[in-house]
Amino acid sequence: AQTVTQSQPEMSVQEAETVTLSCTYDTSESDYYLFWYKQPPSRQMILVIRQEAYKQQNATENRFSVNFQKAAKSFSLKISDSQLGDAAMYFCAYRQLTQGGSEKLVFGKGTKLTVNP
Amino acid sequence: KAGVTQTPRYLIKTRGQQVTLSCSPISGHRSVSWYQQTPGQGLQFLFEYFSETQRNKGNFPGRFSGRQFSNSRSEMNVSTLELGDSALYLCASSLAGGFGYTFGSGTRLTVV
Repeated sequence: AQTVTQSQPEMSVQEAETVTLSCTYDTSESDYYLFWYKQPPSRQMILVIRQEAYKQQNATENRFSVNFQKAAKSFSLKISDSQLGDAAMYFCAYRQLTQGGSEKLVFGKGTKLTVNP
Repeated sequence: KAGVTQTPRYLIKTRGQQVTLSCSPISGHRSVSWYQQTPGQGLQFLFEYFSETQRNKGNFPGRFSGRQFSNSRSEMNVSTLELGDSALYLCASSLAGGFGYTFGSGTRLTVV
């Protein structure tokens, strides 16, 4: 079964600085999708960025980018120019496919990011 | 376009009661999934529905059930509530193909 590990329960960063959140995963599949979700105190999970495993190029969305190392099964999230609104729980997730076409997300335990003014 | 709508936002129930939570997906999304989020266990998959059929179910007891209607709206039901069922229940809808899920704001269930 696929597993997702986030080794940093908490991280902090100064406003305008850069922070990197770590995520590793375990899978025997060759093609898959990985995601980073943000969950602010409002509770809603917000998709930050997605990566397709067959694409070599790292995904980028404005100030958010990933460092995808397929061989190492590593998928870290870099937040540049951190803003106070970036403070939230961040979850790394793996999309798992099952027979019959069903899919589900397997989540890591999350990293709580604090942004200091 | 409207997002994923979950109702109610908060719910307090007594042990032994049953509860029904509702989820309206984004228009056009036929896949609806449910997740339970607790501080101890994190985010755990409950089930996934597609075109009114349950395609997958997580490792939860039979007290947890759900269904999906022809308009893709979904409900989940928990019978004989236990204290350990207290959690945030999140619904997510998606198009197929790895585009990612759009989540609702969740229903916070407290069992007393």
